[in-house]
Amino acid sequence: GQQLNQSPQSMFIQEGEDVSMNCTSSSIFNTWLWYKQDPGEGPVLLIALYKAGELTSNGRLTAQFGITRKDSFLNISASIPSDVGIYFCAGLWDKIIFGKGTRLHILP
Amino acid sequence: NAGVTQTPKFRVLKTGQSMTLLCAQDMNHEYMYWYRQDPGMGLRLIHYSVGEGTTAKGEVPDGYNVSRLKKQNFLLGLESAAPSQTSVYFCASSLGTTSHFGPGTRLTVL
Repeated sequence: GQQLNQSPQSMFIQEGEDVSMNCTSSSIFNTWLWYKQDPGEGPVLLIALYKAGELTSNGRLTAQFGITRKDSFLNISASIPSDVGIYFCAGLWDKIIFGKGTRLHILP
Repeated sequence: NAGVTQTPKFRVLKTGQSMTLLCAQDMNHEYMYWYRQDPGMGLRLIHYSVGEGTTAKGEVPDGYNVSRLKKQNFLLGLESAAPSQTSVYFCASSLGTTSHFGPGTRLTVL
């Protein structure tokens, strides 16, 4: 079945640093999605990517849809404390499949 | 517009008991999903529905049944709960790439 490999599993960074995470798959998706989950909450959609090569920004977040349609990455610039949480990539074909998540920790 | 709601928020069951989790959405979304989230496992798709009256299996369907009798509701049933089904369950709905998640149901099976 379709599986997504998301890395890294967790990150410890200093406030103000940039963050980069990525997601790869053996399957092609026609849409890539990036979500953030805060403790005790459901995931919230951050960015949606619709075509290969697309680069989309949402404030300090930038995501790209890989040319092969089998990967995507998410960058967060100048991290702040409220960026802490779990970030999930997800691929959409006929249904939404999630990666295992990247847990972001910010050191004071 | 309440988005996606889930009931109950918390539940404790004994092994072998049955229960139904209810998901409701008021956005007229076609697709609805049930996921379970376990530590280090991300969100795993249990079952999903592409429209009223239709359901399909996801990655981890065993031990669960679903029904979508009305477009706005998606029910997840556990006929005979097992400790391995202790988890946080999330419902979601989508239309195209617009998706919303419910707040989750924390289920413990003793």
